[in-house]
Formats: sequence, C-alpha cells, structure tokens
Amino acid sequence: EAGVAQSPRYKIIEKRQSVAFWCNPISGHATLYWYQQILGQGPKLLIQFQNNGVVDDSQLPKDRFSAERLKGVDSTLKIQPAKLEDSAVYLCASSLGRQLNTKAFFGQGTRLTVV
Amino acid sequence: QKEVEQDPGPLSVPEGAIVSLNCTYSNSAFQYFMWYRQYSRKGPELLMYTYSSGNKEDGRFTAQVDKSSKYISLFIRDSQPSDSATYLCAMSDDTGFQKLVFGTGTRLLVSP
Repeated sequence: EAGVAQSPRYKIIEKRQSVAFWCNPISGHATLYWYQQILGQGPKLLIQFQNNGVVDDSQLPKDRFSAERLKGVDSTLKIQPAKLEDSAVYLCASSLGRQLNTKAFFGQGTRLTVV
Repeated sequence: QKEVEQDPGPLSVPEGAIVSLNCTYSNSAFQYFMWYRQYSRKGPELLMYTYSSGNKEDGRFTAQVDKSSKYISLFIRDSQPSDSATYLCAMSDDTGFQKLVFGTGTRLLVSP
C-alpha cells in the first residue's frame, strides 16, 4: 500500500514570498490533516479535512495560511507571505475516516526554510 | 504549562538495554494515548496506541498509561541500534486520532 506522498521535500524561500505544498493521501482515506513541526517540537495540527470539507482549522493562521482539498483527494497548503517563524516541517497525514480507532498515517513532510 | 511534557533527551543507551520513555500531561480529558517513532527526516510512524488506562504489549514494546498520575510510558526491551530515533507521545480527548496533541519528542540513541 502506497503511503502519504508529499512534495516538494525541501523548499527555501525568502521572507514575504509565497510557497505551496502538495499532499496525496493514501488511497481511500477520507480524512486529511496538515501538521506543522518546528525544530525541536512535536507536530501541531493546522487543519483537518473530511473529504473536501474543513472539520477543524482553529490553529491555522488564516491571515497567511490557506489550504484546500477541492476534489476530496489531494490537498494543497499555501503560505503567503511567509515569515521567518514559518520555518518548519509541514507534515500531511491521512486516515480512513473520523472513527475513533482509525489510525492516522504521516507522510515524510516538506521542510521549509524561510530566510 | 504545556499540555504534554516530554524530556527531549538525548537518551543514550547500549544495545540490549531496556529503555523507558515517558510523558506527563495536564488535560484530564485525554483518553487516547499514542506513541510515534520518527526517524531523521521522516514522518512520524505509529508504534502503539492505548485507550484509557492500562498496559499494552507489542513485541519488544510495552505502553503503559496511568491516568491517575497523568503519566504514560513506553518501554523498549532488548533495544537495537535500529531503535535510534525520536519518540513522540501524542494524546487526544474523545476524538481518537483527530486533534492529536504531541509532546516534543525524546531522542533515543542506541549504541552497538
């Protein structure tokens, strides 16, 4: 079974530029998550989708971050404009659904460096 | 105070040692407790999860939850160099794998 695919693996941008990350979840997984993992910290949930609808975006900095999952499969996370403190690994995860024991599987992440 | 506290390490042990990794938490609503392993430049990989209190064993790994003390542990028996990674605890209330709150991770180094 293919895992969660993310691209690019690495990205370096200057502050105030924009950047986009892409995620392809495991086939058939209805629930998709984006997490931010700052160096030396655990992942923090940014946004959760159920199919193409947003379930939770309470921790997403909406003034600069946006995410979409238009057809309920792939998802894109965008940052515009980027700040230095956005340097982190952005992890995408997916699960079959929202049932309590449905495990979430993570991709390898996109490492963003803002200079 | 963070909701989940975890010693960042690094924790260095010789091959074959028993490793104990721990997390404490402050939110009494947490019901689901997970342990993820994260190798360098990889995403977290689910090792084990438990619901409520008690123990769970899977091969060389044992997870323990003590809700009365708000304390969880992961034990690794007969540790191997391949166990060298960062171990993240994660928890959630009644939402299962949704809204996971992670610890900072403990870096484990197992030397041959």
